[in-house]
Amino acid sequence: EIVLTQSPATLSLSPGERATLSCRASQSVSSYLAWFQQTPGQAPRLLIYAASNRATGIPARFSGSGSGTDFTLTISSLEPEDFAVYYCQQRNSWPWTFGQGTKVEIK
Amino acid sequence: EVQLVESGGGLIQPGGSLRLSCAATGLTFSTYWMHWVRQVPGKGLVWVSAISGDGSETMIADSVTGRFTISRDNAENTLLLQMNSLRGEDTAIYYCVRDFFGYLDIWGQGTMVTVSS
Repeated sequence: EIVLTQSPATLSLSPGERATLSCRASQSVSSYLAWFQQTPGQAPRLLIYAASNRATGIPARFSGSGSGTDFTLTISSLEPEDFAVYYCQQRNSWPWTFGQGTKVEIK
Repeated sequence: EVQLVESGGGLIQPGGSLRLSCAATGLTFSTYWMHWVRQVPGKGLVWVSAISGDGSETMIADSVTGRFTISRDNAENTLLLQMNSLRGEDTAIYYCVRDFFGYLDIWGQGTMVTVSS
């Protein structure tokens, strides 16, 4: 099973600041990585697929990069609605696995 | 608009059985792989099981293999999860999710399963 490790666990930032979230895989997942956003009481929402492609309706301030074992989700300028938990997920091999999440909180 | 609506959750005693359903609308259901993902409230996401569009292929997590069975009824646009021999660690919100070319793009709102005596 591929283990995804996200860092940091919590990111404390102010609106307008840049957020950089990391996801590291225990073995290569090629570019088969997605990022999700989850706000309290809501289902997760797909943000990025195939490591760097924004899903439908996702604002341009969200971007993804990386391949192999190291991936990054960047939010260029935090909006109030971006304070949430973010998960990475690999679909390179079964079982599909998720990272443990990074919480982006208001500083 | 694509909608996935789960049902069937509730309180069940350890060792009991429950069947979850997911009603899909707004999509050609039979063309998509579908998944179940669960989440203990306040904790992370865990993939549970997946099934191909025609139902011929299934995948299941080791933690539930032999106890959970995924299936689908394409005539009724419904995804199912039969859960037997339930344990306390199965307590979670269960999400039904569409697989769009290998990515989990549409999620239902989830149904809560609580396993407790």
